[in-house]
Amino acid sequence: EVQLVQSGAEVKKPGESLKISCKASGFTFTNYWIGWVRQMPGKGLEWMGLVYGGDSDSRYSPSFQGQVTMSADKSIRTAYLQWNSLRASDTAMYYCAVTGSAWQYYLDYWGQGTQVTVSS
Amino acid sequence: DIQMTQSPSSLSASVGDRVTITCRASQDISNFLAWYQQKPGRVPKLLIYAASTLQSGVPSRFSGSGSGTDFTLTISSLQPEDVATYYCQKYNSALLIFGGGTKVEIK
Repeated sequence: EVQLVQSGAEVKKPGESLKISCKASGFTFTNYWIGWVRQMPGKGLEWMGLVYGGDSDSRYSPSFQGQVTMSADKSIRTAYLQWNSLRASDTAMYYCAVTGSAWQYYLDYWGQGTQVTVSS
Repeated sequence: DIQMTQSPSSLSASVGDRVTITCRASQDISNFLAWYQQKPGRVPKLLIYAASTLQSGVPSRFSGSGSGTDFTLTISSLQPEDVATYYCQKYNSALLIFGGGTKVEIK
């Protein structure tokens, strides 16, 4: 059974750093991309980027390039999304999801989401 | 950059109605189009990929069609459990883009 288990909710202050995780099971982690999706309160889905489980190759949405860093640790089947300096506008729910295959980038199975709240 | 435009942004229909949502890409994306359902307060769920392939376990009242730039998601007989926001997404490259979403409610 494919499962993506995300780390718990976070409350941070502006300027702080943060790294959230997405632990995978039930599929060959090194053969798939993990995507990250942001959903701001009351808003739609925004694709942030993809990270490849095999080698941490990353592709970013232009909207998020330089704002976040995606990585993957294949030894523990975990993908990460990281901020160096959070802003209030980063307050959102963040989802990870695994692609259909290494070349089919639709988002097949989703994690439960990680709520990130940034407030002074 | 390719834009994905969904219409309508919201709709209200009666139980049993046929519901159609459209998604238009600003460039040809072949059939690299997926549809997702997000029920209120829930995680998004893949409904359809490759424009018309139903994901395992998805009720057969859902169907997708289209190719190139124009795509359609159809619910043949709307059920109360179909209340949700529906999103299209193009994936013809590793630059994924979601449509703005269509909120479906029961009249």
